[in-house]
Amino acid sequence: DTGVSQDPRHKITKRGQNVTFRCDPISEHNRLYWYRQTLGQGPEFLTYFQNEAQLEKSRLLSDRFSAERPKGSFSTLEIQRTEQGDSAMYLCASSLMADNEQFFGPGTRLTVL
Amino acid sequence: KQEVTQIPAALSVPEGENLVLNCSFTDSAIYNLQWFRQDPGKGLTSLLLIQSSQREQTSGRLNASLDKSSGRSTLYIAASQPGDSATYLCAVKKGAQKLVFGQGTRLTINP
Repeated sequence: DTGVSQDPRHKITKRGQNVTFRCDPISEHNRLYWYRQTLGQGPEFLTYFQNEAQLEKSRLLSDRFSAERPKGSFSTLEIQRTEQGDSAMYLCASSLMADNEQFFGPGTRLTVL
Repeated sequence: KQEVTQIPAALSVPEGENLVLNCSFTDSAIYNLQWFRQDPGKGLTSLLLIQSSQREQTSGRLNASLDKSSGRSTLYIAASQPGDSATYLCAVKKGAQKLVFGQGTRLTINP
């Protein structure tokens, strides 16, 4: 499968725990995006990378959130001290260039108890 | 701030009908517009991408149009089938980075 992959698909955690999600983009894509989607809403932008450089972060990305793309390939999104409001679907997307369509992964569903 | 609105929020039609989904955006200075499909609990599947210089794109039974000056796009689905049931999202890109999404239209095709 050469699409965008995300791991894990589901994560249940207790409030206050740290969680980390992984995204593997389509191999030749140099742009990688993270979005968050809550029930009944459209996805909201969190951050994006061009190769290994993180070029923009949304105000939604509080200091408890950190994202990395160390070698310009896969990316991780870490949430520290999770809160119930962090419960959402976290979506990753990649694109070849700025004007190309973005391809999305299956998402990671986070539930914070 | 770019805002994207999709009307209606939900739509239910009998199988075989042609239908139109609407998307409007407040800032006409967009880079491109993309339509997606999302099945319950799943990720997004890209359906059509329209660049800002284009007026429409077609893929099979789907046709998407773009009128930048009025801030509108439509997704036309011909001869609808039960398998078309899903949430349809439109998203605009301003600049070279993020997509701004509407809230989606939940479509149900009744056999």
